[in-house]
Amino acid sequence: QKEVEQNSGPLSVPEGAIASLNCTYSDRGSQSFFWYRQYSGKSPELIMSIYSNGDKEDGRFTAQLNKASQYVSLLIRDSQPSDSATYLCAADLSGGSYIPTFGRGTSLIVHP
Amino acid sequence: DVKVTQSSRYLVKRTGEKVFLECVQDMDHENMFWYRQDPGLGLRLIYFSYDVKMKEKGDIPEGYSVSREKKERFSLILESASTNQTSMYLCASSLGSAQAAIYFGEGSWLTVV
Repeated sequence: QKEVEQNSGPLSVPEGAIASLNCTYSDRGSQSFFWYRQYSGKSPELIMSIYSNGDKEDGRFTAQLNKASQYVSLLIRDSQPSDSATYLCAADLSGGSYIPTFGRGTSLIVHP
Repeated sequence: DVKVTQSSRYLVKRTGEKVFLECVQDMDHENMFWYRQDPGLGLRLIYFSYDVKMKEKGDIPEGYSVSREKKERFSLILESASTNQTSMYLCASSLGSAQAAIYFGEGSWLTVV
């Protein structure tokens, strides 16, 4: 079964530190990868997408993709308490059917 | 900005009732989706649609049906609500193209008593 795996956490980091969230996927044919942030009681919000090997930066967020090792990561620099949320990784495992498969998410806690 | 609107945010229904959850998107997206999200189980796909009047079953379609009469509107129907359908329901949409991300509505919290 094609899957996206994430450590459920919680991952606890101090304010100002770098939070590193990781995700692995099972299908080598996957082309598109996404990170969503979900606050408690709210719906997921798209924060990053990545399609090519390497790093993609957007403000304090950096997504990293390594297709050979089949993992995607999200780095959050200068973490803030407002970053405390569950982060969902998603991948298009179907190789073009445009239906992403979601991991179960990693809970991040940023403490002051 | 993409806007996916779920008209009912919080509903309480009785067992056996027919429930309609409505979703509208304003970005002319081809694809629309219905998920449910439960603690510990993550997001599970119920149904999706590639086009008007077209629907495909997702991972957990039992007990649900959908309707897509217009491109911008995708409805989820619980024919006879049961307590195990108490959940948060999320509508989403995306362009029908490679690399397209999906965008979620705010969610509908359904409690079946």
